[in-house]
Amino acid sequence: QSALTQARSVSGSPGQSVTISCTGTSSDVGNYNYVSWYQQHPGKAPKLMIYDVSKRPPGVPDRFSGSKSGNTASLTISGLQAEDEADYYCCSYAGSPYVFGTGTKVTVL
Amino acid sequence: VQLVESGGGLVQPGGSLRLSCAASGFLFSSYAMSWVRQAPGKGLEWVSSVSGSGGSTNYADSVRGRFTISRDKSTNTLYLQMNSLRGEDTAVYYCAKEANYYGSGSYFDPWGQGTLVTVSS
Repeated sequence: QSALTQARSVSGSPGQSVTISCTGTSSDVGNYNYVSWYQQHPGKAPKLMIYDVSKRPPGVPDRFSGSKSGNTASLTISGLQAEDEADYYCCSYAGSPYVFGTGTKVTVL
Repeated sequence: VQLVESGGGLVQPGGSLRLSCAASGFLFSSYAMSWVRQAPGKGLEWVSSVSGSGGSTNYADSVRGRFTISRDKSTNTLYLQMNSLRGEDTAVYYCAKEANYYGSGSYFDPWGQGTLVTVSS
């Protein structure tokens, strides 16, 4: 099972919106509505931000949103804040059962 | 909910190591559990999952036949027995609670703080 494809980095100014894409195949992202997203600050454990494509756990700001179209899932951060600077990873259930994305570094300019 | 890993360290290639993950704050036997690793400067890689009962396990191709996941409901502890270790197994190993009993169509929340495994001579 190959890793899901993410852009290596994205950046934006405070208050702007950024979108991170996660491209898989019809065997993972395209076949299941079980895409989750994780935020990881340097030296810290990952934190769940989105699950089941677009659901937010309690405590996650509503500026984080998720969606999916075909084999590509997306995470959008609206109203970017300094504390959003981190690495973000997508993950999809694939029957095998899980595959992670390659990770995207979000930089707040 | 809290997960605390232990057991990491320096081991020679070909050696063995057993990681532990002490769970608290939830009904341990009701949830599947997973191990996820992260090599230095690299991304996340799912390693293995075990169902709530311990009766169903899954492994990544990269570790199948060398690693064994297990759990002890009497002590609320998750284990990862790692044999025939290779340099490419060097990573921080995280344990994570899954969202359901079987671990299918699930997600990981929360994660432990991780334990570093270094395979080197």
